[in-house]
Amino acid sequence: AQTVTQSQPEMSVQEAETVTLSCTYDTSESDYYLFWYKQPPSRQMILVIRQEAYKQQNATENRFSVNFQKAAKSFSLKISDSQLGDAAMYFCAYRSLSNYQLIWGAGTKLIIKP
Amino acid sequence: EAQVTQNPRYLITVTGKKLTVTCSQNMNHEYMSWYRQDPGLGLRQIYYSMNVEVTDKGDVPEGYKVSRKEKRNFPLILESPSPNQTSLYFCASRARTGRNSPLHFGNGTRLTVT
Repeated sequence: AQTVTQSQPEMSVQEAETVTLSCTYDTSESDYYLFWYKQPPSRQMILVIRQEAYKQQNATENRFSVNFQKAAKSFSLKISDSQLGDAAMYFCAYRSLSNYQLIWGAGTKLIIKP
Repeated sequence: EAQVTQNPRYLITVTGKKLTVTCSQNMNHEYMSWYRQDPGLGLRQIYYSMNVEVTDKGDVPEGYKVSRKEKRNFPLILESPSPNQTSLYFCASRARTGRNSPLHFGNGTRLTVT
């Protein structure tokens, strides 16, 4: 069975600095999807970025980018030029192509210091 | 506006009093799912449905029921709630077609069982 591990329960960063959130996963599959979701205090779940395992190029969305290391089963999220609005819980998630189920990490709480 | 609508947003109840959390989506999605979110555990899937009249257990189905009589609705039923079901609940949906179709979330229901 697949598992997703986020080893940092909480991270803090100074506004305008760069922060990296880590995520590792375990799977025997070769093709799958990986996601980062953001959950601000409003509780809404917001898709930040997604990566298809067969694509070697790391996904980027504006200030958000990932470092996808398939062999190491690592999927970290880098947030550049951190803003106060980035403060949230961040969840890493894995989805197999054989089913529709998402496997979630425990989450990392990101604090932005003004 | 495409959305997943969950109600109520907050619910406080007592042990054993049956309750229903409603979920409706207007995107004609085949797949719908219920999750519960608990601190340190991330999101865990309760039940999911691949289409009308098709439901399956997720990782933590005990104490919950669902039904999918119509494509748009997927209510979560707690026949006899207990305090260990105090949690934040999310409904989500996605289209079955498309490798990379995203999961759309409702705004969550904070349930407290005393």
